[in-house]
Amino acid sequence: AQSVTQPDIHITVSEGASLELRCNYSYGATPYLFWYVQSPGQGLQLLLKYFSGDTLVQGIKGFEAEFKRSQSSFNLRKPSVHWSDAAEYFCAVVGRTGGFKTIFGAGTRLFVKA
Amino acid sequence: GAGVSQSPRYKVAKRGQDVALRCDPISGHVSLFWYQQALGQGPEFLTYFQNEAQLDKSGLPSDRFFAERPEGSVSTLKIQRTQQEDSAVYLCASSASGTLPTGDTEAFFGQGTRLTVV
Repeated sequence: AQSVTQPDIHITVSEGASLELRCNYSYGATPYLFWYVQSPGQGLQLLLKYFSGDTLVQGIKGFEAEFKRSQSSFNLRKPSVHWSDAAEYFCAVVGRTGGFKTIFGAGTRLFVKA
Repeated sequence: GAGVSQSPRYKVAKRGQDVALRCDPISGHVSLFWYQQALGQGPEFLTYFQNEAQLDKSGLPSDRFFAERPEGSVSTLKIQRTQQEDSAVYLCASSASGTLPTGDTEAFFGQGTRLTVV
């Protein structure tokens, strides 16, 4: 079955510390991969996406993610977290064939402490 | 418009009542999606339109849910005889791409409509 797993329900990091949010997917073939951020009461904003090519992708707000085919993972990283990064983060996949359906993970809530 | 607009932002419905949720996509966007996001969960796909054609409605949870996009722009998600389990945030997204996402396209999300069924 197609699925996206974000093993951490919530993570707390200190401002200025590094961040890594984990994402694993289960899919028949390598899908398109996305990370979105959702602030309270807001819609989803795309942080970055992987389609093909370089497995390290850069996104907005200083985020990056690395696609590892052997691990079926697409972990999100940021070297230095800012208080404004506190939000919910969703990993998502879209299949390369057979439809436009996006499958989201359950999300990881990031708390940033001063 | 500048972004995807959804209305109302909040809706409280009594159980058994019918509701209609509206989505105004970005002007000219071909693709439109509806998602349901329960509290503490990720969004779940409901349905997808390419212009006025509903190409995928596999995510609609029951025949009480109905979506339309008659002129290929504004879309309405209708829920008949609402139940408590319908309480969720309903997100709409649009994309310029008419096919699977390419490297230079993305889906833009609205702020959602929070539906509470009491």
